[in-house]
Amino acid sequence: DSGVTQTPKHLITATGQRVTLRCSPRSGDLSVYWYQQSLDQGLQFLIQYYNGEERAKGNILERFSAQQFPDLHSELNLSSLELGDSALYFCASSVGRELHEQYFGPGTRLTVT
Amino acid sequence: QQQVKQSPQSLIVQKGGISIINCAYENTAFDYFPWYQQFPGKGPALLIAIRPDVSEKKEGRFTISFNKSAKQFSLHIMDSQPGDSATYFCAARSGRGSTLGRLYFGRGTQLTVWP
Repeated sequence: DSGVTQTPKHLITATGQRVTLRCSPRSGDLSVYWYQQSLDQGLQFLIQYYNGEERAKGNILERFSAQQFPDLHSELNLSSLELGDSALYFCASSVGRELHEQYFGPGTRLTVT
Repeated sequence: QQQVKQSPQSLIVQKGGISIINCAYENTAFDYFPWYQQFPGKGPALLIAIRPDVSEKKEGRFTISFNKSAKQFSLHIMDSQPGDSATYFCAARSGRGSTLGRLYFGRGTQLTVWP
């Protein structure tokens, strides 16, 4: 158990809908990272937050957004969902801003029908 | 394009054998190379990691070999066990520039260890 928690574990929704994925980092970790894992793209970095502020952006679509709250938990919002958004979404956390090991949560499996 | 290239895509090894997974990169800004192990339905778990100033790191049955000049690194699993059956990802972390701290992952190797 990495200490990173994610909810929900599974999510099934229809195209065009909006969902919110939640992540709680390990105790003491200030950075939260979001990744998307799919069969065709592998593990892709989406976005990073550090202590409430956006730190880095990767391959994140404009339909997706995230935020980190004062208690350091983070939410990833996915809107106008398409079939291709079906994937595993992982949150990871680390102590510092950049140069520390990342620990992954168990993921949220999103299925868009 | 894929910043970290991993091979093979799948690997079948007999119990007690040695599993070897290889990764290659081009970006000299990478300064930290972790390996992650992922079981079905679980998130990737940090297994072992190495920095480029070291050529080898061993933790139990797991060894990373690193060749800085060739920009290659590999994971060796000695005395492979059925419980090692999982997907293994190599990764590389950017050490400078606008991508500082960002992890780039290989596509993964699905390891099956037969009893």
